[in-house]
Amino acid sequence: NAGVTQTPKFRILKIGQSMTLQCTQDMNHNYMYWYRQDPGMGLKLIYYSVGAGITDKGEVPNGYNVSRSTTEDFPLRLELAAPSQTSVYFCASSYSSTNYGYTFGSGTRLTVV
Amino acid sequence: GEDVEQSLFLSVREGDSSVINCTYTDSSSTYLYWYKQEPGAGLQLLTYIFSNMDMKQDQRLTVLLNKKDKHLSLRIADTQTGDSAIYFCAERTAGNNRKLIWGLGTSLAVNP
Repeated sequence: NAGVTQTPKFRILKIGQSMTLQCTQDMNHNYMYWYRQDPGMGLKLIYYSVGAGITDKGEVPNGYNVSRSTTEDFPLRLELAAPSQTSVYFCASSYSSTNYGYTFGSGTRLTVV
Repeated sequence: GEDVEQSLFLSVREGDSSVINCTYTDSSSTYLYWYKQEPGAGLQLLTYIFSNMDMKQDQRLTVLLNKKDKHLSLRIADTQTGDSAIYFCAERTAGNNRKLIWGLGTSLAVNP
């Protein structure tokens, strides 16, 4: 059981480049989330999805886009990367009815130079 | 508004007990969680407590909830060097599309 899988683990982007961070889960969770984690700043919610075809903005959505065409996949797209997007990105998932919290991926460390 | 606060650092000696504290503001909290993040890794759910409980024990972990004071604590008995990590407190409130409200994390250093 793989849980939540994120790729890539590390990436260096140049300013203005674009990329997609991949996230897939095999637990049939209907809720999925993207967070960024900056040192001393905790977790900030970027986008979340309550099911296939449904996405919504979190606290810090600017500069990002998401899609949710299937239950399993929730990619995060960065267009026109900026140094402020240097961070560690975590994808997480949960059941809608569970009380067990979230299952997290291992993260993608992104540096924009 | 919704807010979760934690002290940022805690240092203990190996073998001692660690107590990590958390306060929250939303009285409609239904579940409260403790997550552990080891260096370079994702967050791992350690334990959780339902808001109508006062205490939950799971091996070396004891969670205490004081709902009146909106205070949550995590006690780790016989702390080991492998417990060195960042510990996040999070609350789930009624409604809110299952989003969790996160504290900034407490960095626990265990000294031999």
